[in-house]
Amino acid sequence: AQKVTQAQTEISVVEKEDVTLDCVYETRDTTYYLFWYKQPPSGELVFLIRRNSFDEQNEISGRYSWNFQKSTSSFNFTITASQVVDSAVYFCALLSGGSNYKLTFGKGTLLTVNP
Amino acid sequence: NAGVTQTPKFRILKIGQSMTLQCTQDMNHNYMYWYRQDPGMGLKLIYYSVGAGITDKGEVPNGYNVSRSTTEDFPLRLELAAPSQTSVYFCASRSTGENSPLHFGNGTRLTVT
Repeated sequence: AQKVTQAQTEISVVEKEDVTLDCVYETRDTTYYLFWYKQPPSGELVFLIRRNSFDEQNEISGRYSWNFQKSTSSFNFTITASQVVDSAVYFCALLSGGSNYKLTFGKGTLLTVNP
Repeated sequence: NAGVTQTPKFRILKIGQSMTLQCTQDMNHNYMYWYRQDPGMGLKLIYYSVGAGITDKGEVPNGYNVSRSTTEDFPLRLELAAPSQTSVYFCASRSTGENSPLHFGNGTRLTVT
């Protein structure tokens, strides 16, 4: 069975702080894909990044970076120099080869960036 | 491209009423999904479809029905609305590539009273 755990329910930081959102996943498949989505207060779900199980390279996109570690089954997301516009719920999701139609989502982390 | 379009955006139902949430996509995606989002619970899969004429249950299908007569449309039907179905409903689609992301509609906020 697939499972995604986002242990941090809520995080509150002050603008310009760095913040890391944790994601731990479980799957028995050797081929799988991990995703992060952002849900701002307006409610839509925005795709941020995907990573496949064969590519453990970390990725940086502007102030966002992702750290994928198969040894600890983690796919953590760091926002550097956070801004108020980063306030949102962030979801980590898993799609594994044994169930390649269905994305399993974590419960999300509510990030609040205060000015 | 409009992407994934959901209607209505908001709806209030009385217990026992029925309704259909509409979802259409113009990206020619084969895979389509319905999720519900409850506060603090993330997104739970209700039903999904891998192509026209093919549907299957997700984690929480009870109280819902779907159909997929065309590639574009994937309506979700509530037959006898219950307060437990108060939620935000998201439709999504994706292409058949294994690592292709979901494209979400803007959601339907449903209240059953």
